[in-house]
Formats: sequence, C-alpha cells, structure tokens
Amino acid sequence: ETGVTQTPRHLVMGMTNKKSLKCEQHLGHNAMYWYKQSAKKPLELMFVYSLEERVENNSVPSRFSPECPNSSHLFLHLHTLQPEDSALYLCASSLQEGLEQYFGPGTRLTVT
Amino acid sequence: DQQVKQNSPSLSVQEGRISILNCDYTNSMFDYFLWYKKYPAEGPTFLISISSIKDKNEDGRFTVFLNKSAKHLSLHIVPSQPGDSAVYFCAARGNTGFQKLVFGTGTRLLVSP
Repeated sequence: ETGVTQTPRHLVMGMTNKKSLKCEQHLGHNAMYWYKQSAKKPLELMFVYSLEERVENNSVPSRFSPECPNSSHLFLHLHTLQPEDSALYLCASSLQEGLEQYFGPGTRLTVT
Repeated sequence: DQQVKQNSPSLSVQEGRISILNCDYTNSMFDYFLWYKKYPAEGPTFLISISSIKDKNEDGRFTVFLNKSAKHLSLHIVPSQPGDSAVYFCAARGNTGFQKLVFGTGTRLLVSP
C-alpha cells in the first residue's frame, strides 16, 4: 500500500467510448503524474501536475485529457481511443517535482 | 533515443547468492538515480536512490553503485531471496529544466529457492 490509489483497476472500452481514470493520493504530496506502460517499453511520462498546475505535457494526443481539481486527485479523461492505446496507466505522486515518486497499482486499459 | 538502458531483460539467481542488475545511461546531465521494484498487478515501488555526487549507497541487502565515468549504475542484492523476484527499473533525473524521471525498460529478476 503506497498511499496512491487508482480506479478502476481494469477497463475495457470501445473506440467510441468516453471514460475516465481516477487517481487519489493520501500522502500530502504536491506533484502528481500520469505514465503509460506498454509491453517491453520504458515507462512513458504523459502529464505532470505540480501544485495543481500542469507543468509537463509530453506530446500526448488530445484524446487523453488530464484534470487535477486539487492536489490529492488526478483524472485522465479518455475519448475516441485507438487499440494501440491499450496499456497499463500508472499514476504517481511526489512531495515535489524531482523527488522520489510513489506509484499507484495502475489501470489496465484495453481498447477494442 | 533511449537515455536509460537496461540491456538484460531477465536474470535468474539462486537464493542466497548475489543479484546484480545493471543500467547504463547516456545523458551526463542526470544528477540523481533511482531503482524501483515492480510486482505483477502492482505499481513500481521505490527501492533505493543515489545522488551523482556519491558512488555508493547502501540500504540493508540493497546497494547501488554509480560509475559516472562509465555512465553505469548497478544494483546489488545480497543475499537474494525468493521474495525479491520482480521487475526492477532504474530511473534517472535530469538537473536542467523540469526534473522528470527517465525510466529504463526493466529487468525481470527470478530468485529460485
């Protein structure tokens, strides 16, 4: 138990669906992150929020839309995804940017 | 272009022996290095880190060595235990601009009894 929770743990969605991934951290951290992990690839940083402001957007397609309503919650809104977007999506938090990150268990997303 | 490389996708070791996991990097501006451990169906867990001003950091059975001239990092686990079986990721942090972490592809360690 790392203090970072993610829901749902598994999600299957069609290419025309809209869904959201949720992340919550109970650690009092100020930075939150979304990563994508595809098979046999390194973890890819997607978005970073620091003090609820987005500080990094790694050329992620617009079909992924993050939202950080407060320092404890982070969402990833998904719409019109492609099958190649199927992956494990990991949320992480850290006390501040650049320090050790604590990861949630991830959401296994399958796009059909 | 992968800045952090873990060239061994897997490693098998017997219980009680030493496990050595390796990581190479290309960016000399990295100033902080971390190792994470990941069990199936769980997110990565922070294990140990080292600053670029040091060449060794030890925490119990885990020791990380940094060779800056070779741009090489290694994690030693001794003695290895079956519960250490997991995927190990090394990560590096840049010290210019936004300090994000860059991860390697991971090495799967299997420790057999």
